[in-house]
Amino acid sequence: ETGVTQSPTHLIKTRGQQVTLRCSSQSGHNTVSWYQQALGQGPQFIFQYYREEENGRGNFPPRFSGLQFPNYSSELNVNALELDDSALYLCASSDGQGLNTEAFFGQGTRLTVV
Amino acid sequence: QQQVKQSPQSLIVQKGGISIINCAYENTAFDYFPWYQQFPGKGPALLIAIRPDVSEKKEGRFTISFNKSAKQFSLHIMDSQPGDSATHFCAVPNTGTASKLTFGTGTRLQVTL
Repeated sequence: ETGVTQSPTHLIKTRGQQVTLRCSSQSGHNTVSWYQQALGQGPQFIFQYYREEENGRGNFPPRFSGLQFPNYSSELNVNALELDDSALYLCASSDGQGLNTEAFFGQGTRLTVV
Repeated sequence: QQQVKQSPQSLIVQKGGISIINCAYENTAFDYFPWYQQFPGKGPALLIAIRPDVSEKKEGRFTISFNKSAKQFSLHIMDSQPGDSATHFCAVPNTGTASKLTFGTGTRLQVTL
């Protein structure tokens, strides 16, 4: 098991609502990446936070936003939820940037939008 | 954003057999090619990765082969075991860090007794 923990593990929301997902990075890791994994698909990169600043973003609309705290934990916020936002949301932590920065994934948060 | 094509989509192998999964990419920020293994209800976990300057890497029963000119790499699982039954993903770095990845679509591997 990695030291990356995510909460909650499961969540059901109604279309149009807002949701906040949380991630605690592995000890010593200053970088957190968020991924969306639809059923039967590979994870898709949403964005990354490095030392509390956004450090790259995938092809996701602005209603997906994030935050990283001084202790390097992170939040993913999604506004105006749509049915297609139903997915497993994965957080991955790593130690810095560069070529030797393996990403360690948490178990994910299963979001269902009804 | 580039696509990473993975095949086959699913694979059934007998215990003791060889599992082979292939991956093709369009571009990569640098030569780092990991394979992740995901069990139901869990996040992906790094299985094995290959880095620049080598065309093959072996760790126990797992081998990555890399063909730079063809922009392809593959995972070979020797002596496949039922515990290998999981979804396997290849990934390619999309910028200059190994933590921003474009994943393939996944291969569901089932190893039968």
